[in-house]
Amino acid sequence: AQTVTQSQPEMSVQEAETVTLSCTYDTSESDYYLFWYKQPPSRQMILVIRQEAYKQQNATENRFSVNFQKAAKSFSLKISDSQLGDAAMYFCAYRRQGGSEKLVFGKGTKLTVNP
Amino acid sequence: DAGVIQSPRHEVTEMGQEVTLRCKPISGHNSLFWYRQTMMRGLELLIYFNNNVPIDDSGMPEDRFSAKMPNASFSTLKIQPSEPRDSAVYFCASSPMLGVSTEAFFGQGTRLTVV
Repeated sequence: AQTVTQSQPEMSVQEAETVTLSCTYDTSESDYYLFWYKQPPSRQMILVIRQEAYKQQNATENRFSVNFQKAAKSFSLKISDSQLGDAAMYFCAYRRQGGSEKLVFGKGTKLTVNP
Repeated sequence: DAGVIQSPRHEVTEMGQEVTLRCKPISGHNSLFWYRQTMMRGLELLIYFNNNVPIDDSGMPEDRFSAKMPNASFSTLKIQPSEPRDSAVYFCASSPMLGVSTEAFFGQGTRLTVV
C-alpha cells in the first residue's frame, strides 16, 4: 500500500523568508501524481500545487515550488517570500494513475508565519 | 459551479443517535470520496465511489458506518449508532475521471461532535 510521510509536524518561518516542507512517499508504481494541499483555519482544503511523476521538471505556482526527486521518493514544498496568509496545515498527497484512484495523505505540517 | 457542498456544517448529537452527513459533488465529476480528519489519525479515506459504485470501502471503521450514492449528484454517510470516538471532521471530495483532471475538490467539511 502506498504511504505518505511528513516528518515535520510543525514548522515556523519569518514573514518574507523561505521555508521548505518535507514529504516522502512509498510506492512501487512508476506513474502517479503528487499534490500539496493547504488547510487554513477555515478548514477548507485548497490545492496548492501538483506534480506528475512522468515530468522531470519541478512544478511552480507563483511563490510555491516543489523539489521532486523520483528516485528518492521525495516531494518537498518550498514557499518563498512567506506571507501571513500562508499560515495553515499543509498536506502532501499521492494518487496513483489509472482510473479513479484515491488520494493518500500525509499527516500534515502546521506552518506558522511570524510577522 | 458552487463546488462540493456538504451539509450540515456542524452536527452535535448524543451517543447512540443516528447521524447522516450529506454531500453534493461537483456536476460532471465521476468520483466521490469520504474522508475523516482527526488530530490523532490525520485524513483517513473511508470510502470512495466511481460512477456511483463503491470501489473501496476498506477504510470504513466498522459496521456502524455506511455510505450510499444513489445518483451522480448526491451521497450520504450514515453513522448508526454514533459514539463519542466518531467525533471528527468529515470531508467529501469529488474528482473528474483521471485524464481530465488529477486533483480532488473538497467540500468544507462537517464537524461532528458526539457527546
